[in-house]
Amino acid sequence: ETGVTQTPRHLVMGMTNKKSLKCEQHLGHNAMYWYKQSAKKPLELMFVYNFKEQTENNSVPSRFSPECPNSSHLFLHLHTLQPEDSALYLCASSQETGTGGDEQFFGPGTRLTVL
Amino acid sequence: GQSLEQPSEVTAVEGAIVQINCTYQTSGFYGLSWYQQHDGGAPTFLSYNALDGLEETGRFSSFLSRSDSYGYLLLQELQMKDSASYFCTNQAGTALIFGKGTTLSVSS
Repeated sequence: ETGVTQTPRHLVMGMTNKKSLKCEQHLGHNAMYWYKQSAKKPLELMFVYNFKEQTENNSVPSRFSPECPNSSHLFLHLHTLQPEDSALYLCASSQETGTGGDEQFFGPGTRLTVL
Repeated sequence: GQSLEQPSEVTAVEGAIVQINCTYQTSGFYGLSWYQQHDGGAPTFLSYNALDGLEETGRFSSFLSRSDSYGYLLLQELQMKDSASYFCTNQAGTALIFGKGTTLSVSS
């Protein structure tokens, strides 16, 4: 248990569906992150939120839409995804961003399959 | 651009010592961190080097040479449970940049 939870753990969706991934952290952190992990590829940073403000969008397609209503919750809204979007989506949190060795705590991830 | 290079696979036997190297090219450097990820699990933080030299934490040590843009993770007294992927990372602005990871397989 890292103090970061993600739901659902597994998701299968069609290309025309709309779904949302949820992340919650119980660590009192101010920064939250979405990462994508595909097979044989490094973790790719998608979005960064610091004190509820988005500070990084790593050229992510608009079919992925993040939402951060408060410092403890982070959502990733999905719509009209493609099969190549199938991957493990990891959420992480840290005390804040841009401080070098600030340890990131990862959730268990959502394994997404797009049919 | 930003890149971190590390070997894709390393194999070793229980009780041995293994070193996983990481070379980096980044426009901003805030130090090198290492994460461990077991198959099907989430990455977990292992260590962080902001300054040159060796940091030791139990069986794991991490080294950094900023002049050489190089670091390594040293794992001693290997155990079967150390079989996992190991990532070196660098903070670039508000983002963590990850290497592709090194898969360590420990056999008996």
